[in-house]
Amino acid sequence: EAQVTQNPRYLITVTGKKLTVTCSQNMNHEYMSWYRQDPGLGLRQIYYSMNVEVTDKGDVPEGYKVSRKEKRNFPLILESPSPNQTSLYFCASSSRGYPGQGVHEQFFGPGTRLTVL
Amino acid sequence: GQQVMQIPQYQHVQEGEDFTTYCNSSTTLSNIQWYKQRPGGHPVFLIQLVKSGEVKKQKRLTFQFGEAKKNSSLHITATQTTDVGTYFCAGGKLETSGSRLTFGEGTQLTVNP
Repeated sequence: EAQVTQNPRYLITVTGKKLTVTCSQNMNHEYMSWYRQDPGLGLRQIYYSMNVEVTDKGDVPEGYKVSRKEKRNFPLILESPSPNQTSLYFCASSSRGYPGQGVHEQFFGPGTRLTVL
Repeated sequence: GQQVMQIPQYQHVQEGEDFTTYCNSSTTLSNIQWYKQRPGGHPVFLIQLVKSGEVKKQKRLTFQFGEAKKNSSLHITATQTTDVGTYFCAGGKLETSGSRLTFGEGTQLTVNP
């Protein structure tokens, strides 16, 4: 089954404790992206990746890191989480995304609800 | 940077009434996508529009892309309770570093039976 998986689905942590949210897709997609969703603000892009070893900042990258060492995985790293990073996080993947081509249909993971105390 | 604004933020309708959500971009878009997110779920792709003035239909849903490729709308005819959820538009823009999608804030639709 074609899907995007995220782990963990729920996480409660404390300020300053490093954490990683994993994202994996089995559709051989080049493009992957992380979003955070907050009430009234919609989906805001944190980072995206056009392909392996190619990543770029989205609209709200501060406090986050990503890596793309393999095509299927795109982990989101919070080196020192703070309460303002409490949010619902979605990973998404898509085919295409190369320069000159628009981003194609995005497939979203189930979401990770993060609470930072 | 690119901004995509969506209105209204909330819409409450009686079952059977029509519903429309509007999306406006501050810049010309390469494409626009629409997604639906059910309560407690994740966004699910509905459709993509690419051409200026394009209109597409999916049963009771009609999607339009403006002539200037800066605005779009989603219209639902005769809403049903199954239409409940938040509808997002996402504007695509080609940049030198690649392609990006910017999402609107979403319109949350509730349908009273």
